[in-house]
Formats: sequence, structure tokens, C-alpha cells
Amino acid sequence: GAGVSQSPRYKVAKRGQDVALRCDPISGHVSLFWYQQALGQGPEFLTYFQNEAQLDKSGLPSDRFFAERPEGSVSTLKIQRTQQEDSAVYLCASSLVGRSSYNSPLHFGNGTRLTVT
Amino acid sequence: DAKTTQPPSMDCAEGRAANLPCNHSTISGNEYVYWYRQIHSQGPQYIIHGLKNNETNEMASLIITEDRKSSTLILPHATLRDTAVYYCIVRVAGGKLIFGQGTELSVKP
Repeated sequence: GAGVSQSPRYKVAKRGQDVALRCDPISGHVSLFWYQQALGQGPEFLTYFQNEAQLDKSGLPSDRFFAERPEGSVSTLKIQRTQQEDSAVYLCASSLVGRSSYNSPLHFGNGTRLTVT
Repeated sequence: DAKTTQPPSMDCAEGRAANLPCNHSTISGNEYVYWYRQIHSQGPQYIIHGLKNNETNEMASLIITEDRKSSTLILPHATLRDTAVYYCIVRVAGGKLIFGQGTELSVKP
């Protein structure tokens, strides 16, 4: 079946531009996570949605980062006034059930590679 | 902060079993151990998870010690396509996965 889909696959932005990254989770999945992965590092948690509610945004590095999931399915991660340090792969993951169940795996997309020049 | 410790790299001969260790000495009673792997330019791929019993699926086996302070992921017959970074993760309260640095497994012919 269809997995988690992310677009675009690659994005190049000039410093100061705004970008929007899209995530299409697996249909019916309640939970949605965003991660940031710098080169040579493990993924780092950014934010979590249960349906349309953003329940955890503790990992967002600054107020330039904003995520939404208005109808509880597709999610968008927006980065305003991009900086060079924002260059990374942005990963989205979804899970069938809510965060109270630790027994449901996260399924990841292949990410969007953002390069800020 | 990651709650697991893994060796940074390991080698394995093709066709042999790959045994990847992980220490998670501070794990709590209701926290699951998850294993993922990541091949270059792809997202992390789910392998297996467990709470306290040993688990097996079509990809791998997971052996968790009785005190739950460590575990081992076993790939029974490693192939070149199993070359990847393997992450052992304790799933914490709130449901998120906190990744560490992982083990870079190289399967050699």
C-alpha cells in the first residue's frame, strides 16, 4: 500500500525565503510527526500532531518554524526567513494510533532535502 | 537525549548473522524498544519492536534481556542490502522516538 509521501523531494531556497514542505501520511493514521536530520546525524524530533491537534512542539528550533495539520490528514511544515543552518532533511512519519499507545510503529517518508544558499 | 547506547560501527560477512547490541539501562517499565534502519537518502525503515518478550518477524529477531537493560537485534543472514545505519530507540512518554547516533553496519562480500 501507499506509504508516507513527502514533497518536494528536494528544495533549494535563498537565505531569507520562506518554504513550505508537505507531508501526506498513510491514510487513516492518527499521529503525525516531523523530524529534522542534519548531515551525519540521527533524526531530531520537531513536532507532533494527533489528528488536527498539535500536542507537542517542543522540538521546533525557533518561531520561524511552524507546522499545521488543519483537517487531520495532510501536514505542512513552514519555515520563514530561512537561514543556512536550516539546511537539512526534513522527515515526516505517521502512526496508526495516538500517542498513548507505544505499540504502534512510526512509518517514515523519504524526506525533503532543504538546501539554503 | 537518547536513552540508548550503541557501538558506532560494525562489520559482518555476507550470509552470516549480524548481531547488533544496544544498552538501555534506564528504560522504564512501560517503554518499548524499537529498531529502525536507514539506508542512504531514504527515511528510517521500521524493523521490529518489543516490550519484554523476544520478538521475530520476517526481517529480524529482537532479543531483550530479562532485566530489560539491553537488547540485541539479529539479522539471521545478512546481505549487502542490509548495509545501513541501525537505530535502537526507546519510545518515551508522549509517543515520540528519540534517535541516537546508531550503529553503521557494513556487510562485506
